[in-house]
Amino acid sequence: DTEVTQTPKHLVMGMTNKKSLKCEQHMGHRAMYWYKQKAKKPPELMFVYSYEKLSINESVPSRFSPECPNSSLLNLHLHALQPEDSALYLCASSARTSGGFYEQYFGPGTRLTVT
Amino acid sequence: LAKTTQPISMDSYEGQEVNITCSHNNIATNDYITWYQQFPSQGPRFIIQGYKTKVTNEVASLFIPADRKSSTLSLPRVSLSDTAVYYCLVGGNRDDKIIFGKGTRLHILP
Repeated sequence: DTEVTQTPKHLVMGMTNKKSLKCEQHMGHRAMYWYKQKAKKPPELMFVYSYEKLSINESVPSRFSPECPNSSLLNLHLHALQPEDSALYLCASSARTSGGFYEQYFGPGTRLTVT
Repeated sequence: LAKTTQPISMDSYEGQEVNITCSHNNIATNDYITWYQQFPSQGPRFIIQGYKTKVTNEVASLFIPADRKSSTLSLPRVSLSDTAVYYCLVGGNRDDKIIFGKGTRLHILP
């Protein structure tokens, strides 16, 4: 199984809401990632987890809160978002963390709209 | 971190060979070159990776000259379904952040 799943596929939330994005993989990968992608732009790295510990936080605002409950699951908790946070949120996993050496497997993404 | 530069967009026709070049002038000794393909509203998908000379798989070939300051992704006999954005990444086997370049929008015409 080389699939990364993400739920929900689409999410519309108000600026005062709290919601969570979920990502799951069963490839035994020990690195998991959150990316944000705006229309016609490349994915931008947000967070990296290595062995369930946060290893990289790309100066992401605190209204985004990642969580890695176990080696297969990655969550992104959202609170008090702004309309400019509307984007495609991609989850990825790889065997290990690296500067890109290990192949990343991406999920289909969650299309988030903040109203 | 090695920065990459790619053409913003390219057009080609079905059945043609397409070559997309990526420049990475400050590539480090331990860096590898990796290419990803992304269709609209999907996550990127790994295509190929190499360190030097030539790498070929069932989908593409990757040519890397001796100085490794550039690389060329070659897609043989493209079809309409190859219309996508192609990203070149440079990075090594170390705990480091990953930066996607701006990507090349490839449009295949019938």
